[in-house]
Amino acid sequence: GQNIDQPTEMTATEGAIVQINCTYQTSGFNGLFWYQQHAGEAPTFLSYNVLDGLEEKGRFSSFLSRSKGYSYLLLKELQMKDSASYLCAVMDSNYQLIWGAGTKLIIKP
Amino acid sequence: GAVVSQHPSRVICKSGTSVKIECRSLDFQATTMFWYRQFPKQSLMLMATSNEGSKATYEQGVEKDKFLINHASLTLSTLTVTSAHPEDSSFYICSARKGTDFYEQYFGPGTRLTVT
Repeated sequence: GQNIDQPTEMTATEGAIVQINCTYQTSGFNGLFWYQQHAGEAPTFLSYNVLDGLEEKGRFSSFLSRSKGYSYLLLKELQMKDSASYLCAVMDSNYQLIWGAGTKLIIKP
Repeated sequence: GAVVSQHPSRVICKSGTSVKIECRSLDFQATTMFWYRQFPKQSLMLMATSNEGSKATYEQGVEKDKFLINHASLTLSTLTVTSAHPEDSSFYICSARKGTDFYEQYFGPGTRLTVT
């Protein structure tokens, strides 16, 4: 079956760095997405990785290792507004998104 | 840009009634639209995929007669929850894919449905 695992909840301090991991097993791979979702709102796109390596975009970076079925989202200089759920999603061989359950990130002052 | 709207944002209906949710792509033509459902503290669950002018493809376990999807034009898809029950109360989100942007989905703001 298809499976995406990420931690349920993480806590970090304002100004610090946090890494959210995601491991996946899917039928085929056409890229991995990270989305941010604030409570009661729809997801917003953060990043897309299809090749191995690190993609940096401002305070957010995303890493992919296809051989390990592993990705992480790195958030630097954390701000209170970064408190949200972070969803990992993999596009499978049918170009459908398979979603992880999301990681709730709590930022403390 | 790529903006997707949903209407209504919140709706409360009585058990046994039907409710229609609209999803519109405002500034692009959406060749494919997706309907998701999200229960509290859970991830998005794909309900169905619809392509303009053809019947929707429903995911396993989703009743097509209960969740009617119509994708009548390249900018509008509707989801009708028929004979709603309290267990249908959820956050319904649509997303749309541009013809040229095969890998990215643009999400609507979601609709909170409460069935009493």
